[in-house]
Amino acid sequence: GEDVEQSLFLSVREGDSSVINCTYTDSSSTYLYWYKQEPGAGLQLLTYIFSNMDMKQDQRLTVLLNKKDKHLSLRIADTQTGDSAIYFCAESFMDTGRRALTFGSGTRLQVQP
Amino acid sequence: NAGVTQTPKFQVLKTGQSMTLQCAQDMNHNSMYWYRQDPGMGLRLIYYSASEGTTDKGEVPNGYNVSRLNKREFSLRLESAAPSQTSVYFCASSGLVQETQYFGPGTRLLVL
Repeated sequence: GEDVEQSLFLSVREGDSSVINCTYTDSSSTYLYWYKQEPGAGLQLLTYIFSNMDMKQDQRLTVLLNKKDKHLSLRIADTQTGDSAIYFCAESFMDTGRRALTFGSGTRLQVQP
Repeated sequence: NAGVTQTPKFQVLKTGQSMTLQCAQDMNHNSMYWYRQDPGMGLRLIYYSASEGTTDKGEVPNGYNVSRLNKREFSLRLESAAPSQTSVYFCASSGLVQETQYFGPGTRLLVL
């Protein structure tokens, strides 16, 4: 079945790196996503990785994908107070005939000055 | 280019009342989705529309109906609201080829 799991909370100091982890169970997923949600706001797409890649870097963001362990991580370098938010990982499927996402429950990142 | 817009932003209903949440996108996307977000949980899919003229149930469709009015608009209707439907509702859209979904700002619904 489809299941995406994340740890609930992460606290870091400003300037440190943050690593948010996610595990998923369905190996047929095609894309894996990271979304950011600030308080009272909708979800903002941060980055995504295709399932045949193992790494993607975009400025301060690095996504690592370990398909063997079904593990996805998001590293934020030089974390700022503006990075404080909830981060959701999500996976999508091509073989079910529907284009929908399965989300994790979100990791709340708290950045302390 | 506003992306995905949703109305209203906030709504309070009494149990048994009905209402329609509106969603529109201006990105010429084929697929549109309705999700609900509850505290401590990720988003769960209520209904989706893969293309204009089609709609399908998602993970939690009970108590809801949808209408894909045209390519731009996808509405979600609660015929008889229940307190269990208190949630934040998000609409999203995606193109045909690309899976990436873009989200609206959400509608916060409280059912008393």
